Amino acid sequence: SQKIEQNSEALNIQEGKTATLTCNYTNYSPAYLQWYRQDPGRGPVFLLLIRENEKEKRKERLKVTFDTTLKQSLFHITASQPADSATYLCALDSGGSQGNLIFGKGTKLSVKP
Amino acid sequence: NAGVTQTPKFQVLKTGQSMTLQCAQDMNHNSMYWYRQDPGMGLRLIYYSASEGTTDKGEVPNGYNVSRLNKREFSLRLESAAPSQTSVYFCASSDTDINEQFFGPGTRLTVL
Repeated sequence: SQKIEQNSEALNIQEGKTATLTCNYTNYSPAYLQWYRQDPGRGPVFLLLIRENEKEKRKERLKVTFDTTLKQSLFHITASQPADSATYLCALDSGGSQGNLIFGKGTKLSVKP
Repeated sequence: NAGVTQTPKFQVLKTGQSMTLQCAQDMNHNSMYWYRQDPGMGLRLIYYSASEGTTDKGEVPNGYNVSRLNKREFSLRLESAAPSQTSVYFCASSDTDINEQFFGPGTRLTVL
């Protein structure tokens, strides 16, 4: 079965630095991968989607890469701010036609001032 | 637009009691989903509905039933609650197969 891993449970960085979060998957080749942000006590919020034929996608200070050879996605937040502190989830399509997603367990990012 | 709404926000049940979690979306989305989120386990899909009138099992359907009442509403029922069903439950909806999912605020359920 598909397996998705976010390598770090927690990541602590200093304000202004670039945060890099990793998502690895096995046993599957997803057509796309999504990243979500989740704040405590709230539901996840969609950030970015990247398709298998795209190497990189950007949105403001966010950048996502997708390496289908390594079976890995990297999520970068440049010029990080304390407000970026949250848990970030990666999710890949399950391969069915219904748009179901398989979620990683998330990485909790803390940006210190 | 309210997006995805869920009721109740919190619930405490005793083992064996039943309850229904309600979910509604006002974005005219075809697909709706129910997840549970447990510490260290991430989000796991319980049931989903690709369109009005259809429902299918996800990764962890045992102990749950669902109803897609209409295009807007998708309810999750626990017929006989067990302590293992203590969790935070999220409802989500999406427009197409690959579009992002929009999540509700969650229901925190405790089964004693």
